Amino acid sequence: GAVVSQHPSWVICKSGTSVKIECRSLDFQATTMFWYRQFPKQSLMLMATSNEGSKATYEQGVEKDKFLINHASLTLSTLTVTSAHPEDSSFYICSARDMQGDYEQYFGPGTRLTVT
Amino acid sequence: DQQVKQNSPSLSVQEGRISILNCDYTNSMFDYFLWYKKYPAEGPTFLISISSIKDKNEDGRFTVFLNKSAKHLSLHIVPSQPGDSAVYFCAASTGANSKLTFGKGITLSVRP
Repeated sequence: GAVVSQHPSWVICKSGTSVKIECRSLDFQATTMFWYRQFPKQSLMLMATSNEGSKATYEQGVEKDKFLINHASLTLSTLTVTSAHPEDSSFYICSARDMQGDYEQYFGPGTRLTVT
Repeated sequence: DQQVKQNSPSLSVQEGRISILNCDYTNSMFDYFLWYKKYPAEGPTFLISISSIKDKNEDGRFTVFLNKSAKHLSLHIVPSQPGDSAVYFCAASTGANSKLTFGKGITLSVRP
């Protein structure tokens, strides 16, 4: 089946530093990847849509200068949380859509970010 | 404005019985619906989907029913197993390559 990996699985950083999260599709190519954020007991909130070779599309209310997204290849997208603050602490999940498939998105295992 | 609604936050069923998880939507442009299963601290796992041109899709113990006139879909799990205990998210999409809109999820507990 389609496998998506994320690295790191958890990270603790100090306020003011930047953190990069990688999302990789391991056995398929993905022209489109998505970044979500989930707060405890809440739904997955789409942050941005990442398209290979072009700029990401951000959802309303998401600061593009704070959450930098790069989709440099058909198997890798990165999310960089710049100048992180404690309120950025959350569970970040990426997903990828198989360019050969239908509507299904395959999700990574998520990254737990804690900003102290 | 929540376009995909899962109004019941939790459901508890006995092992071997049927679990019925409900989902309602408001956007009539949605044409593809998906169910995902999620364990704590893990990413969601795709379970089953249905296109708006169908009213039923079955895959093993999982069946999804779609009632377009009522803008309602449901996931049936039968027989339910303790390993099915997880959070289930309903999601909807408008057209190919479109983003998914998720409901808030429902926590299913299957009692042995």
